[in-house]
Amino acid sequence: AQSVAQPEDQVNVAEGNPLTVKCTYSVSGNPYLFWYVQYPNRGLQFLLKYITGDNLVKGSYGFEAEFNKSQTSFHLKKPSALVSDSALYFCAVGSGSARQLTFGSGTQLTVLP
Amino acid sequence: DAMVIQNPRYQVTQFGKPVTLSCSQTLNHNVMYWYQQKSSQAPKLLFHYYDKDFNNEADTPDNFQSRRPNTSFCFLDIRSPGLGDAAMYLCATSREGGRGNTQYFGPGTRLTVL
Repeated sequence: AQSVAQPEDQVNVAEGNPLTVKCTYSVSGNPYLFWYVQYPNRGLQFLLKYITGDNLVKGSYGFEAEFNKSQTSFHLKKPSALVSDSALYFCAVGSGSARQLTFGSGTQLTVLP
Repeated sequence: DAMVIQNPRYQVTQFGKPVTLSCSQTLNHNVMYWYQQKSSQAPKLLFHYYDKDFNNEADTPDNFQSRRPNTSFCFLDIRSPGLGDAAMYLCATSREGGRGNTQYFGPGTRLTVL
């Protein structure tokens, strides 16, 4: 069985400040980890993923995430938040081909001007 | 641009009246998925096709069916929609053939049941 926890339903950050959205996971075997962003009434947009290799993954729009195997975490980060980053963020875990993803409950990020 | 397209974006139906949602893709991916998402909750996988091979999730109600007539198109049929089926329905695609294949999502169809 695999599972994902996003411990914060809501994260607020001031524009220009660094942001972190937390994710921890549980999976048998090698984890494949994903971050998606969802704007209101839109589908999920892929940001980045970790499969193997460098623990720091860089993705779209200046986002990055750090894979930490010992802490089973995959936190999403951005050095300087923009108001336009305000959206719902989902972490997901899969294994093998990742056809069956398990999504976290989502974190609503609000960047305040 | 290659993409996943869903039609219509908004669908209103009546309680018990069959409805079909459409998904098409220009990515030439061999896997297509249907998810249900309620009120900004986590998307819930209903089923997926790997080429023509249909894979149903164990807890997907029988009321939900799917068809994939060719590589590009996939349909979600709700035979008798109930009020509890009102949700955003998301189509996604991926290319099978490696590890950790990325799923790409369409914009979704928001279904309202009256």
